[in-house]
Amino acid sequence: GAVVSQHPSRVICKSGTSVKIECRSLDFQATTMFWYRQFPKKSLMLMATSNEGSKATYEQGVEKDKFLINHASLTLSTLTVTSAHPEDSSFYICSASTGLAEYNEQFFGPGTRLTVL
Amino acid sequence: AQKVTQAQTEISVVEKEDVTLDCVYETRDTTYYLFWYKQPPSGELVFLIRRNSFDEQNEISGRYSWNFQKSTSSFNFTITASQVVDSAVYFCALSATSGTYKYIFGTGTRLKVLA
Repeated sequence: GAVVSQHPSRVICKSGTSVKIECRSLDFQATTMFWYRQFPKKSLMLMATSNEGSKATYEQGVEKDKFLINHASLTLSTLTVTSAHPEDSSFYICSASTGLAEYNEQFFGPGTRLTVL
Repeated sequence: AQKVTQAQTEISVVEKEDVTLDCVYETRDTTYYLFWYKQPPSGELVFLIRRNSFDEQNEISGRYSWNFQKSTSSFNFTITASQVVDSAVYFCALSATSGTYKYIFGTGTRLKVLA
């Protein structure tokens, strides 16, 4: 149980294009989803928290207009990197939480590796 | 403020050696949770353990063991008789009330187990 998928697992795009990454909870309803970014040999940095049906809450320093997050259903959240540039190349990881456990246990997706040429 | 410190950036051991990965955390909350995750080269985070602040019992799972000490705010992870497959980056994380239970990750420790 508690499986989270991400699609695509790897994407290469040209500078200036937009890329959408999907995060799905496959066997549970996720009231909250989180998006992280991880640079090579670095830790996971939380980008934003999204609750189903409401606007995402972005962490300080994360550009809302650059990283569009939509949590349209209890099983799907999307991250769109708009007008991507080489510096946006990174490993993006999502996680999902049922919100039932006090500690807001997060189940992590396998990650999406974005390369912007 | 909440913080997780993994002072060891990289550790190399020879197969069958025991190795301990250190994790020191900071929080003012009395209720919090600590986690360890393994991140192999594929990138996917693998959950290893969760501990709440009220349970200081040490835990053993096969070759893995964890030592939680509130007095020193540490939650260390020991791998006994390490194997090449243990090579990965290991992250310690903290989730606490005042942080709305967001996960605060340490910087990770890269473990290399040499054959």
